[in-house]
Amino acid sequence: EADIYQTPRYLVIGTGKKITLECSQTMGHDKMYWYQQDPGMELHLIHYSYGVNSTEKGDLSSESTVSRIRTEHFPLTLESARPSHTSQYLCASKGGILTDTQYFGPGTRLTVL
Amino acid sequence: KQEVTQIPAALSVPEGENLVLNCSFTDSAIYNLQWFRQDPGKGLTSLLLIQSSQREQTSGRLNASLDKSSGRSTLYIAASQPGDSATYLCAVAKTSYDKVIFGPGTSLSVIP
Repeated sequence: EADIYQTPRYLVIGTGKKITLECSQTMGHDKMYWYQQDPGMELHLIHYSYGVNSTEKGDLSSESTVSRIRTEHFPLTLESARPSHTSQYLCASKGGILTDTQYFGPGTRLTVL
Repeated sequence: KQEVTQIPAALSVPEGENLVLNCSFTDSAIYNLQWFRQDPGKGLTSLLLIQSSQREQTSGRLNASLDKSSGRSTLYIAASQPGDSATYLCAVAKTSYDKVIFGPGTSLSVIP
């Protein structure tokens, strides 16, 4: 069972609001990732981190930003939400000593009205 | 640039059948390959991870094989059950610190 958590699980919010999606893992993993996925569509990497104070943009351009101040925490922020941001956001981590398995959180389904 | 494809895009089989899902990647210089399962609206669950030095991994009714030289992996599901219905994705990484590249997935329906 993966110890990676995302909150909130569901969020409905109005245009222009600032939102932060939380992701935490208790496995001590150094690598963490954010993916965006529309229903029935492919996963797109939007941000990743190799450790504290490390953040990189992924393959899909995103207006969101991330921070990695603590190993276990990798929040994603949208300064001004728009309807085009409506999607599912999946957080993942990996970095075990014996295995390089990537573990996913349950996801946050965001709807911007 | 690494590209990952999966065939078929969708598959429907009667309960009890054995089936094979295919994954292909263009750059054979991979560090590992991982198979995931995703239920509708949910996150991904890791099924099997194969390191580049391995040829297969098994977990219960699942068996994944890896042929690096041909850029292929297969996921074999034995005695399929309705609970196996989900989307199955494969993903490759070039190094431990490299981005993981996902395939588009195969949507599996097992009919009771």
